[in-house]
Amino acid sequence: DVKVTQSSRYLVKRTGEKVFLECVQDMDHENMFWYRQDPGLGLRLIYFSYDVKMKEKGDIPEGYSVSREKKERFSLILESASTNQTSMYLCASSPETRGGTEQYFGPGTRLTVT
Amino acid sequence: TQLLEQSPQFLSIQEGENLTVYCNSSSVFSSLQWYRQEPGEGPVLLVTVVTGGEVKKLKRLTFQFGDARKDSSLHITAAQPGDTGLYLCAGPAGGTSYGKLTFGQGTILTVHP
Repeated sequence: DVKVTQSSRYLVKRTGEKVFLECVQDMDHENMFWYRQDPGLGLRLIYFSYDVKMKEKGDIPEGYSVSREKKERFSLILESASTNQTSMYLCASSPETRGGTEQYFGPGTRLTVT
Repeated sequence: TQLLEQSPQFLSIQEGENLTVYCNSSSVFSSLQWYRQEPGEGPVLLVTVVTGGEVKKLKRLTFQFGDARKDSSLHITAAQPGDTGLYLCAGPAGGTSYGKLTFGQGTILTVHP
C-alpha cells in the first residue's frame, strides 16, 4: 500500500525558531512536493524535488528551504519561523512522468507559530 | 500561469440532495484530476479525466471534462454525510514536467443528516 508519512501531525513553535518538517515515502517515487494549505487558497506549492539533491522553487518559496539527501526523504525547513507561516503543510510524491500524474499525499502537519 | 477556479467555495446541503461543483480555466489542460480531502487527512485522488467530453462515474459521483478541455464538473447524486469534505480539482502545471500540478482553491462540502 502506498504511503507518505510526515513526522508530526501538530507542531507549535515560537517566532524565530528553526523548524524542520520531515516527509518520507515508500513508493520509490522520483518527485516530491511541499505545499501549504490555507482556507480559501487551495494548495500552494512551496518547493519540489525531482531527484536526490535536485530541487526547484514553487510558487511561494520565500522563507523556506528544502533538503533531499535520500530518494525517500524530503525535508522542509523554516529558517526563522514567523507567525505568517502558521498553516497546514502537506507533503506529496509522484512517479517520474511528463504531464500531470497522481500525487500521493501525507496526512499533513498543522504548524502554529506563536 | 494556468489557473483553476472552483465554484462554489462552500456548499451545505441535506442528505439526499444533488449537487454540482465546477472547475473552470481560461487555459486548455491535457487532463484534470479531482481529489477529496477529509478532515485531518491529505487529499486522495478520485478520478482523472483525459479526453474532451469524457464522462466518468464513480458510484454516485459523475465527473465530466469539457469538450474544449478548459473545464470540468463533479456531480453528486443523493449526497450522504460520508461525502463531506474538501473537493479539489487539479491539472498539470503548464510547460513543465516532474508531475507538477496546479490546484483550484477547493469546495468545502457539508452534507447534513
